Amino acid sequence: AQSVAQPEDQVNVAEGNPLTVKCTYSVSGNPYLFWYVQYPNRGLQFLLKYITGDNLVKGSYGFEAEFNKSQTSFHLKKPSALVSDSALYFCAVRERSGNTPLVFGKGTRLSVIA
Amino acid sequence: DTAVSQTPKYLVTQMGNDKSIKCEQNLGHDTMYWYKQDSKKFLKIMFSYNNKELIINETVPNRFSPKSPDKAHLNLHINSLELGDSAVYFCASSHDLTVNTEAFFGQGTRLTVV
Repeated sequence: AQSVAQPEDQVNVAEGNPLTVKCTYSVSGNPYLFWYVQYPNRGLQFLLKYITGDNLVKGSYGFEAEFNKSQTSFHLKKPSALVSDSALYFCAVRERSGNTPLVFGKGTRLSVIA
Repeated sequence: DTAVSQTPKYLVTQMGNDKSIKCEQNLGHDTMYWYKQDSKKFLKIMFSYNNKELIINETVPNRFSPKSPDKAHLNLHINSLELGDSAVYFCASSHDLTVNTEAFFGQGTRLTVV
């Protein structure tokens, strides 16, 4: 069965500093991987996805993520954090075969401090 | 224009009542979903429909019954509401069942059962 682990409940970073939100996954075979962001009282917004090809994926709002097959990780990164990046971030995985749904991690709350 | 819209945004009701949440998407997508987000922000798939047909039905009580009158709508009806049903329910859609397509989420319906 597919699963996602986000080991940190909370990440705090100073504005202007680089940020990393960690994600590891478990699937049979190769995965499709996604990052979503949820602002307070809002639905989830798609940030980026890894399908195939270049392991470094660039997405919305200056975010990027690196797929590392050997470590089964897909960490979300941004070179310079903004206060407006403060939100709840979800990593999700999907198996490449069958009608499998997106499976989400438990989320990581990012707080960017001015 | 809102891509995936849910109504109502908030729903407070007493135990034992029956209630419905409506969802509509104007993206022309074939696939729609219902997710439940509990108090700890954990997101779990409930149902998936493709072209009005049920594809995925996770372990959800029979009191929950999705209805898809057409591809653009996926409503959720809940009978005999229980305290444990309190959560935020998200509707989502994706282009089709192709596993590499991202899902677009509605703003959520916060259900409180008292």
